[in-house]
Amino acid sequence: DVKVTQSSRYLVKRTGEKVFLECVQDMDHENMFWYRQDPGLGLRLIYFSYDVKMKEKGDIPEGYSVSREKKERFSLILESASTNQTSMYLCASSLVDSWYYGYTFGSGTRLTVV
Amino acid sequence: DQQVKQNSPSLSVQEGRISILNCDYTNSMFDYFLWYKKYPAEGPTFLISISSIKDKNEDGRFTVFLNKSAKHLSLHIVPSQPGDSAVYFCAASRQGAQKLVFGQGTRLTINP
Repeated sequence: DVKVTQSSRYLVKRTGEKVFLECVQDMDHENMFWYRQDPGLGLRLIYFSYDVKMKEKGDIPEGYSVSREKKERFSLILESASTNQTSMYLCASSLVDSWYYGYTFGSGTRLTVV
Repeated sequence: DQQVKQNSPSLSVQEGRISILNCDYTNSMFDYFLWYKKYPAEGPTFLISISSIKDKNEDGRFTVFLNKSAKHLSLHIVPSQPGDSAVYFCAASRQGAQKLVFGQGTRLTINP
């Protein structure tokens, strides 16, 4: 069964901490994405990567960075966590033809910043 | 600029009746549309899709209709079941694009 695995289901962090969210896929997909989901705002793209060491900003990249050193792993980094980054974070992966095949999502990480 | 809009944040339907979820888009370049379903504490899962060369696609209880002139699509669920209670996202893309554009989601509740 193909999978996108996010390392943590729930996280609680303090304001100002550096936070790492990890995502691993076993489908040999080229593309990987990080979204956050907030009520009334839907899924908003933070960053995506179309190849190892390649990345592009999404719609809301401020306060975040990403790392993709290996094809199967895509990390989201909150450089200095703030309370407005409390959210559900979703990782996804896809083949090159995202427009046709769509995404496979992980189960999400519910991050609370206190 | 919200290119894909789901104007109903929530919808409540009686079990056994039809559920109709709506989605509007503004970008006429979009030519492929997808619906995802999301349960709490889980990631979205793919439900059904439609290409702009079609106006209807069916998969069991789920049918998606596309009206290109109105830039509108809808998802019909017949008959609705309690397990259909979830948040539904529509998404749009265009050929060659690497990213999907998602709507805000509609929370569907099926009442027994």
